[in-house]
Amino acid sequence: GENVEQHPSTLSVQEGDSAVIKCTYSDSASNYFPWYKQELGKRPQLIIDIRSNVGEKKDQRIAVTLNKTAKHFSLHITETQPEDSAVYFCAASPFYGNNRLAFGKGNQVVVIP
Amino acid sequence: DTAVSQTPKYLVTQMGNDKSIKCEQNLGHDTMYWYKQDSKKFLKIMFSYNNKELIINETVPNRFSPKSPDKAHLNLHINSLELGDSAVYFCASSHTGTGNTIYFGEGSWLTVV
Repeated sequence: GENVEQHPSTLSVQEGDSAVIKCTYSDSASNYFPWYKQELGKRPQLIIDIRSNVGEKKDQRIAVTLNKTAKHFSLHITETQPEDSAVYFCAASPFYGNNRLAFGKGNQVVVIP
Repeated sequence: DTAVSQTPKYLVTQMGNDKSIKCEQNLGHDTMYWYKQDSKKFLKIMFSYNNKELIINETVPNRFSPKSPDKAHLNLHINSLELGDSAVYFCASSHTGTGNTIYFGEGSWLTVV
């Protein structure tokens, strides 16, 4: 099955700086890559996703890039703000299939005011 | 108008007891899940049902028994609770063929004492 690795496990950034979280996956059949944000005490929520026919996708201050050859994808947060402090999970799965979405272990992002 | 709702939100119980967590989704999705999130924040899938049929059954003690009376509901019953069962349990749902975007419930905080 799919194995998703996420690193670094913790990332501290100064407010206004950029943050980058990287994930690697093992199954070349995976073609759907969502990112979830989980604030303290809350549920994980989808913030952005990308499919394998696209190399990059942006939504305001967040962007995701995908390198299918190297089997890695990254989340980029620009102009970080204190409300960006959260745990971020990457995930991977086939677009159609048995609905098995494999999650990474999460990355704690701390934005220092 | 909550999309995925689960009850109870908090549950404190003694070892050896039996407890249930209920989940309902009003998104019209055909697939529902139970995830367990431990103190290290790992999101581990436990079960998945598609149109009331069990499709994912990870290595979970058989003290955990899911039940899906219809495709909008997925309940989780836990027998003979142990200290190690303390965690946050998230119900989630998705629709087959939409990239497996998963929508999580608010979570149920289970503490076994």
